[in-house]
Amino acid sequence: VVMTQSPLSLSVTLGQPASISCRSSQSLVHDGHTYLHWFQQRPGQSPRRLIYEVSKRDSGVPDRFSGSGSGTDFTLKISRVEAEDVGIYYCMRWPLNTFGQGTKLEIK
Amino acid sequence: EVQLVESGGGLVQPGGSLRLSCVDSGFTFSNYWMNWVRQAPGKGLEWVASIKGDGSEKYYVDSVKGRFTISRDNAKNSLFLQMNTLRAEDTAVYYCARDNHGPDDYWGQGTLVTVSS
Repeated sequence: VVMTQSPLSLSVTLGQPASISCRSSQSLVHDGHTYLHWFQQRPGQSPRRLIYEVSKRDSGVPDRFSGSGSGTDFTLKISRVEAEDVGIYYCMRWPLNTFGQGTKLEIK
Repeated sequence: EVQLVESGGGLVQPGGSLRLSCVDSGFTFSNYWMNWVRQAPGKGLEWVASIKGDGSEKYYVDSVKGRFTISRDNAKNSLFLQMNTLRAEDTAVYYCARDNHGPDDYWGQGTLVTVSS
């Protein structure tokens, strides 16, 4: 199973939107659920889960982050990028625990 | 507040062994699957191993099968990763992470393992 993210790097102006795509080589539907998660890793920090099961935000995650998609194609969107959003974003599927390559977000 | 604290990393020669530990505080440890996830220097995240709450099921990424063993001691709220026959490519920061159909929102701070002569 391969998880392919694009783009691999993203340079965004503060206050502008950002979008990251994640595509799986196999369908993620399992027992009627789609376990596609998004993680953020800020520089020097441990990863943090932002979104689980495609579109559900974890506690404390700002509502400018949203997830969407189905089947094999998924998207993480940031409606208005802030300075604290700098870092690397990973999608991940379960089962067959597989991460995408990561997308590095920087401020233009 | 949930905390996961890893320890046991360090410098080891190729072919050597190391045992990582992760101690939980703040949730009912035995109720959860647990994971080890690693990150090589400058690289992305790689899932390494998972273990069921009662320890009865274990899964590994192919590259560590036969060399690494995940285990747990629920009485001590502890997760372990025994790493044998270490290779240079095992050099990474190793994170423990609670599982909920994949790693959830609780990760440790990581412990660095360096395999080098």
